[in-house]
Amino acid sequence: GQNIDQPTEMTATEGAIVQINCTYQTSGFNGLFWYQQHAGEAPTFLSYNVLDGLEEKGRFSSFLSRSKGYSYLLLKELQMKDSASYLCAAYNQGGKLIFGQGTELSVKP
Amino acid sequence: DTGVSQDPRHKITKRGQNVTFRCDPISEHNRLYWYRQTLGQGPEFLTYFQNEAQLEKSRLLSDRFSAERPKGSFSTLEIQRTEQGDSAMYLCASSDDRVAGYTFGSGTRLTVV
Repeated sequence: GQNIDQPTEMTATEGAIVQINCTYQTSGFNGLFWYQQHAGEAPTFLSYNVLDGLEEKGRFSSFLSRSKGYSYLLLKELQMKDSASYLCAAYNQGGKLIFGQGTELSVKP
Repeated sequence: DTGVSQDPRHKITKRGQNVTFRCDPISEHNRLYWYRQTLGQGPEFLTYFQNEAQLEKSRLLSDRFSAERPKGSFSTLEIQRTEQGDSAMYLCASSDDRVAGYTFGSGTRLTVV
């Protein structure tokens, strides 16, 4: 079967660091996407990991371990505008994305 | 490049009616995907085109659903005899063979009353 798991909700404080975890179990795995989605809007691309390790892009970093079926998204120096849903998605051969249910992040002052 | 465009943004229809949505992908992209998203869930894959060929269809895509991409550019998704359970956000995405270019449109929100 194909399964993507991530926490439903998280809360963090403005200026802090938060890590959103994602575990996956899929066939034909080719890479791992993270998207940000504000309510009523399109998912916006954040990162794509193919190889094991950490990729840093400004305040956002993403990590992948293919052997463990595990990824995380790290958000630093949190801002109020970072309040959104964060979607983890496994990319399969053929182009299909298998999404988790999303993690609703609330950033508090 | 204006990104992936979807039309309409919102559609309210009565149960039993047919609806059609349009997606215009990024012009250089040869791949086009349709997803459906319900409240509080991640998007679910529906179908995928490479140029004009429909290469994969999800089991979610019942026989009331049909998608086309006749000239390998824009695509349409039609739902016949709509049901209340079809109420959802329908998202289109496109990419070229570089997967990192996978871009979503703003979606069409369908409400069946």
